[in-house]
Amino acid sequence: EVQLLESGGGLVQPGGSLRLSCAASGFTFSSYAMSWVRQAPGRGLEWVSAVSGGGGSTYHADSVKGRFTISRDNSHNTLYLQLNSLRAEDTAIYYCAKAVAGHWAGFDYWGQGTLVTVSS
Amino acid sequence: QSALTQPASVSGSPGQSITISCTGTSSDVGGYNYVSWYQQHPGKAPKLMIYDVSNRPSGVSNRFSGSKSGNTASLTISGLQAEDEADYYCSSHTSSSTLVIFGGGTKLTVL
Repeated sequence: EVQLLESGGGLVQPGGSLRLSCAASGFTFSSYAMSWVRQAPGRGLEWVSAVSGGGGSTYHADSVKGRFTISRDNSHNTLYLQLNSLRAEDTAIYYCAKAVAGHWAGFDYWGQGTLVTVSS
Repeated sequence: QSALTQPASVSGSPGQSITISCTGTSSDVGGYNYVSWYQQHPGKAPKLMIYDVSNRPSGVSNRFSGSKSGNTASLTISGLQAEDEADYYCSSHTSSSTLVIFGGGTKLTVL
């Protein structure tokens, strides 16, 4: 059974940093691209970042480019998102999502999400 | 890059069929067969319902179907059931540096 378990969310002041983690199990982690998708309170879904199965290729939304960094540790089946220079508008539930085989887009499994709140 | 355009809300009665549209551009919906649809119930994570325009993942009811014409993709739900009431989001691969773009979401109400 595929499982994705996010952690690392919390309350942080504007300008602060957080590192989110997503522990994956139930599939060959290194064979699939992974993404982070966020959802601000009462708002829609927004794709944030993606990383290839091997970790060599990464992509970020323009809204987080230069502030967020996606990475993965295939030896520990874990996906990461480093969040720096946080702003109030980064407040959201952050989901990790597994891509459909051979795809970047199309996410067949999602975690339960971890809440990031940016406030003073 | 702006989100894909979806109607804010649609409604239908049990047993009826409804269609949700998702309009983009030739750089996303129209340029690739990588449109997906997600169902999200309140307080829950999204669930993949359709990928690659019209493919259903294992376990998804065949009452859900997807299609695309030009820059507009559509999700059709037939035989509406109360449990279908949820928010629905489309997404597409895009040629921009954004890689993946979502629609703004559509709230489906089963009357």
